[in-house]
Amino acid sequence: AQRVTQPEKLLSVFKGAPVELKCNYSYSGSPELFWYVQYSRQRLQLLLRHISRESIKGFTADLNKGETSFHLKKPFAQEEDSAMYYCALFTGGGNKLTFGTGTQLKVEL
Amino acid sequence: GAGVSQTPSNKVTEKGKYVELRCDPISGHTALYWYRQSLGQGPEFLIYFQGTGAADDSGLPNDRFFAVRPEGSVSTLKIQRTERGDSAVYLCASSLRQGWINEQFFGPGTRLTVL
Repeated sequence: AQRVTQPEKLLSVFKGAPVELKCNYSYSGSPELFWYVQYSRQRLQLLLRHISRESIKGFTADLNKGETSFHLKKPFAQEEDSAMYYCALFTGGGNKLTFGTGTQLKVEL
Repeated sequence: GAGVSQTPSNKVTEKGKYVELRCDPISGHTALYWYRQSLGQGPEFLIYFQGTGAADDSGLPNDRFFAVRPEGSVSTLKIQRTERGDSAVYLCASSLRQGWINEQFFGPGTRLTVL
């Protein structure tokens, strides 16, 4: 069965410091991975997907199949990055997303 | 245009009661998903519709849960004989079509509290 693990419930960093939110997955098929973000009092929204290989709001994520990881990174954290971040795996068999438990990122001044 | 909407935003009910939660997807989106998010957890898949039919209901926890989408647009999640463990935020999402390439857009959720 598929599984997504986000080991950190809370990550606190200072403004301007680098950020890395960890995500590991378990899936026997070819993975399609996503990062979703939920800002305070807003709905869950897509941040980026691995297939796009793009940088969104300064965030990037690289799929490492050898380590089964999809860590989210940003070189310099901004206050507005404070939010809840969820890593998600799309499994085509059920056409559904399997989410991790989320990491709360807090950027302190 | 408007995003995915869900009503009610909050629902408080008593154990054993029946509840209905409604989802209005983005116009033209053929795929619709229901997820449940318990406190401290990520969203958990419940059921997925392609058009009017439930293409995958493997995430429904038991037969007290049922969902319909009779005209291929609005969907209703129905919970019979509610239990305290059903308390959670119920999220609805829609996408233009099925498949990973199509972004799932989420609604604001319905917070269900079973007393």
